[in-house]
Amino acid sequence: GAGVSQSPRYKVTKRGQDVALRCDPISGHVSLYWYRQALGQGPEFLTYFNYEAQQDKSGLPNDRFSAERPEGSISTLTIQRTEQRDSAMYRCASSSTNYEQYFGPGTRLTVT
Amino acid sequence: QKEVEQNSGPLSVPEGAIASLNCTYSDRVSQSFFWYRQYSGKSPELIMSIYSNGDKEDGRFTAQLNKASQYVSLLIRDSQPSDSATYLCAVNAPAGGGNKLTFGTGTQLKVEL
Repeated sequence: GAGVSQSPRYKVTKRGQDVALRCDPISGHVSLYWYRQALGQGPEFLTYFNYEAQQDKSGLPNDRFSAERPEGSISTLTIQRTEQRDSAMYRCASSSTNYEQYFGPGTRLTVT
Repeated sequence: QKEVEQNSGPLSVPEGAIASLNCTYSDRVSQSFFWYRQYSGKSPELIMSIYSNGDKEDGRFTAQLNKASQYVSLLIRDSQPSDSATYLCAVNAPAGGGNKLTFGTGTQLKVEL
């Protein structure tokens, strides 16, 4: 079946602009996770949802970052007033009830 | 001390040999352990999960877990050039941290002809 999809795959934006990154999980997966991965590092947790409820947002770097999953399926990660340090690969993963997480292709964000 | 530690490598092994990748973790309440393979420029791909002490085999891959030593490893038998990738160890500690995964920095594996 279809895996996790993310859009856009690449996003270039100017400093100060807002961006919205989208994640469409594997059908039926109740949990959805957002990670950020720097070059040469493992993914770093940002936030996760069970259904539409945000369970943990402890990894969001600051209040410019927010996420939602209003209908328990597609999720959006929004970064307001982007800064150059926000440039990274943003990865989404989903899981059913067994904790095994499957990653999407990622969105490469570049802030100029 | 990092929560999940891996040797960054590169680890070079000849084709057909056994590759041994190691990972240690600091949180004693960790319950679930995963190995992901990540090719350059691609997303992490789940290859093994292990939840209890001992060995778990899947094809050429064997995961080994020792909770007392806080150690998890991945063995790749009959290594192939296509196994050349970065291998990420990930740990989940639901009691302390929900369902989030904490990753190591990865070990780069090179399988040489």
